[in-house]
Amino acid sequence: ETGVTQTPRHLVMGMTNKKSLKCEQHLGHNAMYWYKQSAKKPLELMFVYSLEERVENNSVPSRFSPECPNSSHLFLHLHTLQPEDSALYLCASSQDPTRGLSNEKLFFGSGTQLSVL
Amino acid sequence: EDQVTQSPEALRLQEGESSSLNCSYTVSGLRGLFWYRQDPGKGPEFLFTLYSAGEEKEKERLKATLTKKESFLHITAPKPEDSATYLCAVEAYGQNFVFGPGTRLSVLP
Repeated sequence: ETGVTQTPRHLVMGMTNKKSLKCEQHLGHNAMYWYKQSAKKPLELMFVYSLEERVENNSVPSRFSPECPNSSHLFLHLHTLQPEDSALYLCASSQDPTRGLSNEKLFFGSGTQLSVL
Repeated sequence: EDQVTQSPEALRLQEGESSSLNCSYTVSGLRGLFWYRQDPGKGPEFLFTLYSAGEEKEKERLKATLTKKESFLHITAPKPEDSATYLCAVEAYGQNFVFGPGTRLSVLP
């Protein structure tokens, strides 16, 4: 399998549930990202990992918790979400040779469409 | 603060009717401007990177151009399969990508 794979594709959860989104990249990249895409809004960067270390956290609420166990895998753990968190969550990877100073183009997965009831 | 706007928000074209999409940006120290295509239910797919004013890139019916304040994505004789949302993103030195809201293109047969 090649590219960036995200699971699940769709997720419906209640506000009290705990769930995790998974992302796997088969491109040999060293940087991985979580983005949130809401209707008619630009992609919002949530988290960046470069060489398995979190580089940036854009003031995301603590109910979102990322985990990057190695350069190929990225998780987003969800708990006590709000209805406004319903969105498409996209994972991406890139080659980041200078660790945060420049980025190569992003390769995206197909996303997880999350609905919070 | 780095900012990216795109216009129009939505565009309907007849097959074969050429047009252009606009991406306007304000950024300190532009390293690159990126165009992506996003189909419904999928993640964005990379199209082009432009690095300096005056640069042009082409791919099939698409041509991207760059000035110091904006980029255009020209679509020549579009086909229905070109229907998608086109996203523009800028990268400044030492910063992560900033995306625009996108232009939703529909090409009618």
